Amino acid sequence: DVKVTQSSRYLVKRTGEKVFLECVQDMDHENMFWYRQDPGLGLRLIYFSYDVKMKEKGDIPEGYSVSREKKERFSLILESASTNQTSMYLCASSPALATGELFFGEGSRLTVL
Amino acid sequence: SQQGEEDPQALSIQEGENATMNCSYKTSINNLQWYRQNSGRGLVHLILIRSNEREKHSGRLRVTLDTSKKSSSLLITASRAADTASYFCATVNSGGSNYKLTFGKGTLLTVNP
Repeated sequence: DVKVTQSSRYLVKRTGEKVFLECVQDMDHENMFWYRQDPGLGLRLIYFSYDVKMKEKGDIPEGYSVSREKKERFSLILESASTNQTSMYLCASSPALATGELFFGEGSRLTVL
Repeated sequence: SQQGEEDPQALSIQEGENATMNCSYKTSINNLQWYRQNSGRGLVHLILIRSNEREKHSGRLRVTLDTSKKSSSLLITASRAADTASYFCATVNSGGSNYKLTFGKGTLLTVNP
């Protein structure tokens, strides 16, 4: 079974802190994604990566950056967390962009105080 | 507005009944996918239907796609309490180096025992 593991299920951070959300997949997938999910807004794509060291902006990249130094790991970075970044963050991986299904992690619920 | 929009937003039925959820979208697609999300968890892929397919089955799930109406439906037959979850459609639009997978806001299905 494909496994996508997100390092933290729950985090509480303070405004201005730097936050790292880590995601690891074990199926050698080329593509990895970061989404945020908010009530009434659904899932919105922050960034995705189709190869090591490659990244593409999604719909809401402002305030976020990403890192993909190894194929299995995709990190989301909040350089200076703000309260409007309180959300559920979901990582996913996929073997193929155009035709593949996404495999999701369990999510990381971030609260910024 | 959202590329994929589910209807209804919420649906409550009795165990054993069928549940039908609809998804409408606006632009051409490569494929359409349905996902399920239990409360507070990650999304799980249910089924993918390609743009040249009209109907697909998987166990108690039946998905239809009408590209002329830009709509899809997900039917869950003989529902169980364990089917209680949010259901999302996702449309994939891919061409050349462009890729976009867009989720709708979801239908919350409650199956009462």
